[in-house]
Amino acid sequence: AQSVTQLGSHVSVSEGALVLLRCNYSSSVPPYLFWYVQYPNQGLQLLLKYTSAATLVKGINGFEAEFKKSETSFHLTKPSAHMSDAAEYFCAVSGSNAGNMLTFGGGTRLMVKP
Amino acid sequence: DTAVSQTPKYLVTQMGNDKSIKCEQNLGHDTMYWYKQDSKKFLKIMFSYNNKELIINETVPNRFSPKSPDKAHLNLHINSLELGDSAVYFCASSQGAGNYGYTFGSGTRLTVV
Repeated sequence: AQSVTQLGSHVSVSEGALVLLRCNYSSSVPPYLFWYVQYPNQGLQLLLKYTSAATLVKGINGFEAEFKKSETSFHLTKPSAHMSDAAEYFCAVSGSNAGNMLTFGGGTRLMVKP
Repeated sequence: DTAVSQTPKYLVTQMGNDKSIKCEQNLGHDTMYWYKQDSKKFLKIMFSYNNKELIINETVPNRFSPKSPDKAHLNLHINSLELGDSAVYFCASSQGAGNYGYTFGSGTRLTVV
């Protein structure tokens, strides 16, 4: 079985501040981990993915995430928030269920204040 | 050139009606999915097809019936629509298993009145 927990359904930061979105996972096998972003009224866009190579993964739009096996975490960070980063962010895991389908966390809404 | 396209983007219909949502991908992927996103943004897998064969069918009412005429298309037909079916439905595709991520369509917002 696999699951994802995203701590904080809403995160608010000021423009230029550090963005930290938390994700913890549970998986019975080495996981594949993903972060997706959803802008209003749009589909999900892949930000980055961890597939058992480097533990620090760089994605699009300046985001990165670090896989920490000991903490079962895959937190998403960005050094300096921009207004355009305001969106819903989803962490997902695959690897230990039928069809290796993605299981998503509940999402975190990032708000960026001017 | 849209990779995963869904039609329609918006669908408003009355309870009891039957409706279909179409999905097409031009990525050459062999696996396609339907996800339901509820009003709290929670995403739940409904179906997964690999090369036109059903491989995952989560606990979805049998009023929902997926149809895959070929590996580039996965349509979703819903009979006897209920108020609780109102949600955003996303189609997605991947090459092989989902371990390298999915490509999502832009969603279909279904409103049942």
